[in-house]
Amino acid sequence: EVVMTQSPLSLPVTLGQPASISCRSSQSLVHSDGNTYLIWFQQRPGQSPRRLIHKVSKRDSGVPDRFSGSGSGTDFTLKISRVEAEDVGVYYCMQGTHWPYTFGQGTKLEIK
Amino acid sequence: ELQLLESGGGLVKPGGSLRLSCAASGFTFSVNAMTWVRQAPGKGLEWVSAISGSVSNTYYADSVKGRFTISRDNSKDTLYLQINNLRAEDTAVYYCVQGAHLPYWGQGTLVTVSS
Repeated sequence: EVVMTQSPLSLPVTLGQPASISCRSSQSLVHSDGNTYLIWFQQRPGQSPRRLIHKVSKRDSGVPDRFSGSGSGTDFTLKISRVEAEDVGVYYCMQGTHWPYTFGQGTKLEIK
Repeated sequence: ELQLLESGGGLVKPGGSLRLSCAASGFTFSVNAMTWVRQAPGKGLEWVSAISGSVSNTYYADSVKGRFTISRDNSKDTLYLQINNLRAEDTAVYYCVQGAHLPYWGQGTLVTVSS
């Protein structure tokens, strides 16, 4: 199975400052259909996860544009341009290219 | 409005069985793949199993293969997860999620395996 490795696992950020989370896969996430199915989720405390970004960089409806995704192949990044208080939670990457799909370990974002 | 309502969780003894259900509404259930994801207390997300729409191809995490069975009843807009030979490490919140790439999540149902 594909191993997804996130870093850092803990991310203290000052309000208004940028944040960046890395996600690396043990093999290329380019699907035979040409798409790259790398997905990012946010889980706020006490809530179900929410999808933020799919296919590397496509923001879901209602997701603020301060969230952006980038990367290719095996190396991906989630960036928050200016962290707000409501961004506190755990962020997960997931690969949806190779069965079985797999999640990263999660990155806990907190306000410094 | 899209809704996913899980049920069937509870306290079960090791070695026991449980069937989780997920009642879906607000979208065309039969054409959508569906997924189960679990989260042990204080831990991260673990992808468990998925099933395609009308053809019903099934996929499993290595950790549950042989003990878990995913199925669906498109006439009832309902997704199922049969869990057999439960172990302590199966204790988790089990989420029902729309699609293969997980755009919409239910609230989850808690399964606790303990003697």
